[in-house]
Amino acid sequence: DTAVSQTPKYLVTQMGNDKSIKCEQNLGHDTMYWYKQDSKKFLKIMFSYNNKELIINETVPNRFSPKSPDKAHLNLHINSLELGDSAVYFCASSEGGDTQYFGPGTRLTVL
Amino acid sequence: DQQVKQNSPSLSVQEGRISILNCDYTNSMFDYFLWYKKYPAEGPTFLISISSIKDKNEDGRFTVFLNKSAKHLSLHIVPSQPGDSAVYFCAAARIGGGFKTIFGAGTRLFVKA
Repeated sequence: DTAVSQTPKYLVTQMGNDKSIKCEQNLGHDTMYWYKQDSKKFLKIMFSYNNKELIINETVPNRFSPKSPDKAHLNLHINSLELGDSAVYFCASSEGGDTQYFGPGTRLTVL
Repeated sequence: DQQVKQNSPSLSVQEGRISILNCDYTNSMFDYFLWYKKYPAEGPTFLISISSIKDKNEDGRFTVFLNKSAKHLSLHIVPSQPGDSAVYFCAAARIGGGFKTIFGAGTRLFVKA
């Protein structure tokens, strides 16, 4: 049973398109996160939701909009994709601020 | 501004020897530190953690040491095994700090058989 799953695993799209990445966790955790791993391999937090409430919102273009329909899901929608959005996006979950469990990542390539 | 720094992008070690991965942080408010391990095409997985009230935490072959005065922590793996070859991320957080964890850039460990 996959604890934290993301779809799709790979996403190739053209500049200017709108795309979504979905994340689901079956661990019963109350907190979920989105991270971006850029070309320099840094894992940078983008958003965090605790019990469906946004608690972390880093300096991220407002083209990125997270949505948490329930505690087990945190989706990331990206409008007007740009070349610089190409990266690996990781979803994670935790119970409170405890150890985070990561999904396998979604490799986004913007052409 | 990198608050968590892993200055060695890679490390190569012979099987059976000790691997030492280093990490420095700048924010003295951090009080909880973690190491994650990442294989290619997978997400990071939690390895070991330490709170600032301790200076050492051990779990099998893995030991994390914390030197608060130097704002430095290290991960020791002994003996190193080829399956340990992966990228290791150091991370720091503030308990009660709003769940925000800051990650280093990672160190790629190669364990040669």
